[in-house]
Amino acid sequence: DIVMTQTPLSSPVTLGQPASISCRSSQSLVHSDGNTYLSWLQQRPGQPPRLLIYQISNRFSGVPDRFSGSGAGTDFTLKISRVEAEDVGVYYCMQATQFPRTFGQGTKLEI
Amino acid sequence: EVRLVESGGGLVQPGGSLRLSCAASGFTFSSDEMNWVRQAPGKGLEWVSYIHASGSTTYYADSVKGRFTISRDNAGNSLYLQMNSLRAEDTAVYYCARSPWGHFVSWGQGILVTVSS
Repeated sequence: DIVMTQTPLSSPVTLGQPASISCRSSQSLVHSDGNTYLSWLQQRPGQPPRLLIYQISNRFSGVPDRFSGSGAGTDFTLKISRVEAEDVGVYYCMQATQFPRTFGQGTKLEI
Repeated sequence: EVRLVESGGGLVQPGGSLRLSCAASGFTFSSDEMNWVRQAPGKGLEWVSYIHASGSTTYYADSVKGRFTISRDNAGNSLYLQMNSLRAEDTAVYYCARSPWGHFVSWGQGILVTVSS
């Protein structure tokens, strides 16, 4: 199984300041079709998860452009350019390159 | 608007069974891969199972293999998870999630399953 490791697990942030979360996979996430199925999800308190970023760097519909993703192979990063109050929650990376699908442990973003 | 609504959760004794349902609307259900993902209280996300759009292919997490069965009714726009031999560690909120091309684009609100005597 592919193990997804996120750092940090908790991130105190200041409104208006940038934030960054790292995710490392135990093996390359490049699929045989050439795509890399690494996504980032946000889970606000009491809510289901919500897709933010897919295939490393593609923002999903309706996601603000302050969210961006980057990386390749086994190392990936989610960046928030200017944190807003509504960004509080837990962020997960996940891989869908192979089965079983696996998630990172989650990073709690707190103001 | 895409909607996924889970039902069928509740309290069950260890060793018991439950069948979760997920009613889908707002998209062409028969075209999309579907999954069940769970979240134990205060814990992270755990993928449980996958089913291809046609229903022909399924995958399971090792933790549920042999006990859980995923299925779908494309005519009725519904996804199911039959859960047998339930254990305390299966206690969680269960989400159905739509995943075209492997992207988990839509999630239900979740349904709580509690396994306890």
